[in-house]
Amino acid sequence: QSVLTQPPAVSGAPGQRVTISCTGSTSNIGAGYDVHWYQQLPGTAPKLLIYGNSNRPSGVPDRFSGSKSGTSASLAITGLQAEDEADYYCQSYDSSLSGSVFGGGTKLTVL
Amino acid sequence: EVQLVESGGGLVQPGESLRLSCAASGFTVSSNYMNWVRQAPGKGLEWVSVIYTAGGTYYADSVKGRFTISRDNSKNTVYLQMNSLRAEDTAVYYCARGAYCSGGRCFSAPYMDVWGKGTTGTVSS
Repeated sequence: QSVLTQPPAVSGAPGQRVTISCTGSTSNIGAGYDVHWYQQLPGTAPKLLIYGNSNRPSGVPDRFSGSKSGTSASLAITGLQAEDEADYYCQSYDSSLSGSVFGGGTKLTVL
Repeated sequence: EVQLVESGGGLVQPGESLRLSCAASGFTVSSNYMNWVRQAPGKGLEWVSVIYTAGGTYYADSVKGRFTISRDNSKNTVYLQMNSLRAEDTAVYYCARGAYCSGGRCFSAPYMDVWGKGTTGTVSS
């Protein structure tokens, strides 16, 4: 069981908007720790997608956006494209574990 | 170019050891937080360990007492010594650079901005 909870799978048609939730607790997201998101394309290493809840590294399209509220965070992808089909992971810090924690991952399927 | 290259994976029997290496280029490991993250076959990402700039180290409960993270500044390389290996340690092991700040802004949780391609460790009899 992952410390951060994500839906196992989401799907959407090309051009649509999808969101992926990430729910934590009072020792991680709810304690005020920032949330980051990673994209893992099939057969490749994870890539930083969003950092500090809502910031995009250079090169990440503005179709990807993030937000955080209370004990949860969300990743939104607008204008879905076939190349967005991947696994997405949220990550934060947990004070009771004294280390980073990941969500279980969400598989995005573009229909 | 900023890059991380892992090596040292392989097939071992339960109870045996492996030492993974992560060679960095384009930046200095001693000036950054360096992490190991693993991914079991068909599973999600699991944070394993971190070594901070001052040398402090932390571990996931699942590996505490069995794994040791270290670095060799002269070789700009980070290591993960894995002892008393179990079948459940079978995974792709990624090395990742951690950061707290970017563009003058700092965040309360470290993020991982550079990842290696990973090295596979398999524990099986």
